[in-house]
Amino acid sequence: EGQLLESGGALVHPGGSLRLSCAASEFTLSGYALSWVRQAPGKGLEWVTTISPSGRSYYAESVKGRFAISRDNSKNSMSVEMTSLTVEDTAVYYCARVFEKWLVQDAFAMWGQGTAVTVAS
Amino acid sequence: QFVLTQSPSASASLGASVKLTCTLSSGHSNYAVAWHQKQPERGPRFLMKVNNDGSHKKGDGVPDRFSGSSSGAERYLTISGLQSEDEADYYCQTWSVDLLWVFGGGTKLTVL
Repeated sequence: EGQLLESGGALVHPGGSLRLSCAASEFTLSGYALSWVRQAPGKGLEWVTTISPSGRSYYAESVKGRFAISRDNSKNSMSVEMTSLTVEDTAVYYCARVFEKWLVQDAFAMWGQGTAVTVAS
Repeated sequence: QFVLTQSPSASASLGASVKLTCTLSSGHSNYAVAWHQKQPERGPRFLMKVNNDGSHKKGDGVPDRFSGSSSGAERYLTISGLQSEDEADYYCQTWSVDLLWVFGGGTKLTVL
């Protein structure tokens, strides 16, 4: 079936930047829409950003203009560059893949284990 | 504003059944939803997609005691023969061109 593995989480100061990556093993990410979903401490799941198979990107209002998602099919990976971070961005970030190939709007059907981002001074 | 409404908590006894509900807001009653299980310190687990006609597609390895159904604007996740490891938070999720991707607030399931 394969799995997704996130990396890059860290402690960063407010106003700082961070890059998270998501790599796939045992399957090819090409053709799938890929997303980042986060969970702040004590809160629910929140959709953050998605990139379509063709590279079109979508962002939640809370991160628009600060986050940039990208994908590298040759490396079977996906990343998000996060800038102007605030304490409200503190969360565990999960990458997710949709259920069906070539669909953009679809259920998240495969999840990674998450990487923790803490924004604090 | 579009919302997916879930009860904050639910409980049932070991071996019993429980039915969790996710309600789509007005005007979106024909949308499919997905159910995800979230245990502490673990990534979410996709359980299934449930369509407005009640048909559903499960994720790999999801036990038969997990099932989905639908009625009007409500989408259900039923867990039969509850086991201790089913104690978790359960989230519904939907998606569309206009809504993008949306999660419900989650239901915390306690197995007594």
